[in-house]
Amino acid sequence: SAVISQKPSRDICQRGTSLTIQCQVDSQVTMMFWYRQQPGQSLTLIATANQGSEATYESGFVIDKFPISRPNLTFSTLTVSNMSPEDSSIYLCSATTSGTGEQYFGPGTRLTVT
Amino acid sequence: AQSVSQHNHHVILSEAASLELGCNYSYGGTVNLFWYVQYPGQHLQLLLKYFSGDPLVKGIKGFEAEFIKSKFSFNLRKPSVQWSDTAEYFCAVRLIFGKGTRLHILP
Repeated sequence: SAVISQKPSRDICQRGTSLTIQCQVDSQVTMMFWYRQQPGQSLTLIATANQGSEATYESGFVIDKFPISRPNLTFSTLTVSNMSPEDSSIYLCSATTSGTGEQYFGPGTRLTVT
Repeated sequence: AQSVSQHNHHVILSEAASLELGCNYSYGGTVNLFWYVQYPGQHLQLLLKYFSGDPLVKGIKGFEAEFIKSKFSFNLRKPSVQWSDTAEYFCAVRLIFGKGTRLHILP
């Protein structure tokens, strides 16, 4: 198993600014992911954070808007850039320890953009 | 397109009632199926999973789910719900999630 923490837990940001969310896992994991959960919607996968290389983004998400880093096996960051109110959402970090897709989730970061 | 569909967005039941939450999927690869649960104020956590073998799988807290390949379904069941089952339930195929079902149990 893995225990995941995220910082910050919530933030209120102004339009046009950027926010970096940190994700820390208590053990080495094979893969880390970033999701967005908008009100009343499902979890939508933003990208897979690859250790030591560029993240793999899902359709509709681009590196310029959501730059991701993963410098080691237990840590990743997601930046939400040039924010607009439409970016208001919960951002979730998750990780897997196997190739089955079974995931452990962080508590989420609730972002409000005004 | 790959997708997961949950039929019920909001379910209200009384304690001791039986529960069945529907989940259908469209997926082209190896089907690894999950139900996750998010209790109020807590993280998403795994409720149960199916990879292969017996299509009836049991999870925590008395939940079970049945994989029916011909129907592309993975419905979640519990014979007698408790107030503490109030939560949001998500069906997933690998990394693809349904929209979730909010379950509210009346004491």
